[in-house]
Amino acid sequence: RKEVEQDPGPFNVPEGATVAFNCTYSNSASQSFFWYRQDCRKEPKLLMSVYSSGNEDGRFTAQLNRASQYISLLIRDSKLSDSATYLCVVNMGYYGGSQGNLIFGKGTKLSVKP
Amino acid sequence: EAQVTQNPRYLITVTGKKLTVTCSQNMNHEYMSWYRQDPGLGLRQIYYSMNVEVTDKGDVPEGYKVSRKEKRNFPLILESPSPNQTSLYFCASSAQRWGPYGYTFGSGTRLTVV
Repeated sequence: RKEVEQDPGPFNVPEGATVAFNCTYSNSASQSFFWYRQDCRKEPKLLMSVYSSGNEDGRFTAQLNRASQYISLLIRDSKLSDSATYLCVVNMGYYGGSQGNLIFGKGTKLSVKP
Repeated sequence: EAQVTQNPRYLITVTGKKLTVTCSQNMNHEYMSWYRQDPGLGLRQIYYSMNVEVTDKGDVPEGYKVSRKEKRNFPLILESPSPNQTSLYFCASSAQRWGPYGYTFGSGTRLTVV
């Protein structure tokens, strides 16, 4: 089983739509969770960390369900500038088998159309 | 400005000709890492370093070398590049390897080996 799995998409949505991305991780020892955004041929950039209680940053809301080993990202009122690939990222901690390194999903591509 | 600087941005080279991709960070980060990104395979870790003189293999270390003589620099060395090392390379740094810290990435190096 892959360590971090995401639907590759693409998700094609109209401007103003609400879109949700999901991600599952295999290791229950995982400790830290993030969403990164990557524009075409550019470096990944940290979008937001994901906390157990859920957290919001403007139009973006991240949720974590440790019992189901599931992370989500909700984007409300999509803008053209939201078009990018969104990477789900997990830190499995020292005992998680990855020696604390970040594990990246392959990403979900979002295309927001006018 | 806090950043990770990679050079060069683009490089075309021939098989077997040794090359070095430089990476430097100005954030006094202890942890640094190299990734390669290929279509369909996502980000894969090559090597990482927890501190000066401490380096370790990631998931795909074959054909690469690294060194960490100074805290700010973490060069990636390809002693004898081959066409299968054609890829987009990213350097990243973080204050710590685990915990709620994301990584800051450099702008990437697009390497073509012919």
